[in-house]
Amino acid sequence: DTEVTQTPKHLVMGMTNKKSLKCEQHMGHRAMYWYKQKAKKPPELMFVYSYEKLSINESVPSRFSPECPNSSLLNLHLHALQPEDSALYLCASSQEPGLAGDNEQFFGPGTRLTVL
Amino acid sequence: AQKITQTQPGMFVQEKEAVTLDCTYDTSDPSYGLFWYKQPSSGEMIFLIYQGSYDQQNATEGRYSLNFQKARKSANLVISASQLGDSAMYFCAMREGYGNNRLAFGKGNQVVVIP
Repeated sequence: DTEVTQTPKHLVMGMTNKKSLKCEQHMGHRAMYWYKQKAKKPPELMFVYSYEKLSINESVPSRFSPECPNSSLLNLHLHALQPEDSALYLCASSQEPGLAGDNEQFFGPGTRLTVL
Repeated sequence: AQKITQTQPGMFVQEKEAVTLDCTYDTSDPSYGLFWYKQPSSGEMIFLIYQGSYDQQNATEGRYSLNFQKARKSANLVISASQLGDSAMYFCAMREGYGNNRLAFGKGNQVVVIP
């Protein structure tokens, strides 16, 4: 299984709602990532989990709260979002980088989020 | 300073023709990896090809090849025999050093393949 899955595919939420994005991989990868991507722009790294511990937080506002319940699952909890948070949210996973350099990240199909 | 530079405007390519997408990078770390990803309009980022800084030969994966010119710090992607399904945004990315989870992405190149 070389797939990263994400649910839901589309999400529309109001600014007062609480919702969660889910990501799952069964490749035995120990690093998982959340990216935010605006239209026609490259992905922007938000969070990295390494061995189920948060290793990188790119100064993301606290209305985004990541969670890694186990090595296969990654969640992104959303609360009190703003319309400018509307974007494609991509999850990715990779083997933990070690001495080998070719540690490509495998991406999921993304969740298209619209905040009204 | 930008780590990865992709400056070509949107490109139209005739089906079955080859296309070269430019990517230049900036790093002082002797150990780094370069990646190309394809992103069709559906949104998924698809890994295409990888080149390590110590690799002696240019990477190839099917119709994709990477023209790696280390002294010029360029890592151009060549797609041979373009197909309609190659229409997408293409991102060049770099990881510096070992044990580093961060990828620096370029701004991307839009490619449209026309029949």
